[in-house]
Amino acid sequence: GENVEQHPSTLSVQEGDSAVIKCTYSDSASNYFPWYKQELGKRPQLIIDIRSNVGEKKDQRIAVTLNKTAKHFSLHITETQPEDSAVYFCAARWALGQLTFGSGTQLTVLP
Amino acid sequence: GAGVSQSPSNKVTEKGKDVELRCDPISGHTALYWYRQSLGQGLEFLIYFQGNSAPDKSGLPSDRFSAERTGGSVSTLTIQRTQQEDSAVYLCASSLAGGLAKNIQYFGAGTRLSVL
Repeated sequence: GENVEQHPSTLSVQEGDSAVIKCTYSDSASNYFPWYKQELGKRPQLIIDIRSNVGEKKDQRIAVTLNKTAKHFSLHITETQPEDSAVYFCAARWALGQLTFGSGTQLTVLP
Repeated sequence: GAGVSQSPSNKVTEKGKDVELRCDPISGHTALYWYRQSLGQGLEFLIYFQGNSAPDKSGLPSDRFSAERTGGSVSTLTIQRTQQEDSAVYLCASSLAGGLAKNIQYFGAGTRLSVL
């Protein structure tokens, strides 16, 4: 099955700086890579996703890049704000639709 | 419309008891997933239902865990003879379709299970 590694496990940035979270996956057949944000005590919510036929996707301050050859993808958050503080999970879809999640990154944006 | 609904939101049980967790997916969503999230950990896949197909049970950690989905809608996750290591948040998600179609998964708020 799929294996997803996520780094770093914790990340602290100053407000206004950029944050980058990286994930690698093992199954070259994976074709869909979503990112979820989970605030404390809340449900995971999709913030951005990318398909394997696209190299980059951007939505306002959030962008995701995908390198299929290297089997890694990254989340970029620019101009970070305190409300960006949360746990972020990457995931890769394999087989019949199941998602395999990374272990999560606790992002803290310091005011 | 309403999102994915899970009940109960919290469940405290004694070791050895059976528990049932319920998930009500978004109306019209044919795919339903169960995940487990231990404290400070990622999401661990448990089971996946797609339409009338046989479910993918490959993530269930032991035969004490089972799930069913009646009428292609509501799903129940049952844990028999609960153990302390079963304590976690159990998350349900649904998507419009499964397979290789675009299938954004929408999550419920979860059931926090505590086994004493």
